[in-house]
Amino acid sequence: DVKVTQSSRYLVKRTGEKVFLECVQDMDHENMFWYRQDPGLGLRLIYFSYDVKMKEKGDIPEGYSVSREKKERFSLILESASTNQTSMYLCASRVTNRETQYFGPGTRLLVL
Amino acid sequence: GQQLNQSPQSMFIQEGEDVSMNCTSSSIFNTWLWYKQEPGEGPVLLIALYKAGELTSNGRLTAQFGITRKDSFLNISASIPSDVGIYFCAGQLYAGNMLTFGGGTRLMVKP
Repeated sequence: DVKVTQSSRYLVKRTGEKVFLECVQDMDHENMFWYRQDPGLGLRLIYFSYDVKMKEKGDIPEGYSVSREKKERFSLILESASTNQTSMYLCASRVTNRETQYFGPGTRLLVL
Repeated sequence: GQQLNQSPQSMFIQEGEDVSMNCTSSSIFNTWLWYKQEPGEGPVLLIALYKAGELTSNGRLTAQFGITRKDSFLNISASIPSDVGIYFCAGQLYAGNMLTFGGGTRLMVKP
């Protein structure tokens, strides 16, 4: 079974704080993704990574950065959290050139 | 980026009823996927469709790849309380491309 884990299920942060969201997958997948999920908007891609040390901007990268130092780990960084970044954040992974993405349980982030 | 139009946005139905939802796009896709997200969890793949016109079942779920390649449909027969969740469609143009997701259909089932 593919396992994608996220470091926190719930986080509360203050405006201006630096926030790290961690994602780990145990299936040796090359590709990893970060999405945010907001009601009625579905899943919007923030950043993705084809492989170690590689990263590409998704549809809504502003205010975020990522790090992929090891194949199994993909980190999402909010350099200076703002209230409009309050959302559910989902990490996913897949094998290169396969359509199926496997999702983690999500991190619900509240920025006050 | 493009989003798929998924409808309805939410449904509140009685246990035992059948459910239909659909996704439409202004451009074609070569793969359609349907995911379900249960409360507090990440989305899980239900059905994948690879050919225009394809009809695929997974238990009480049946999904169809529209003949124009611009739409897809998901039906759930005889709904039960554990069908509750958000159902997402996703389209992919070519292998290795990103997925484009619909806005989701929130399904609530009254016992």
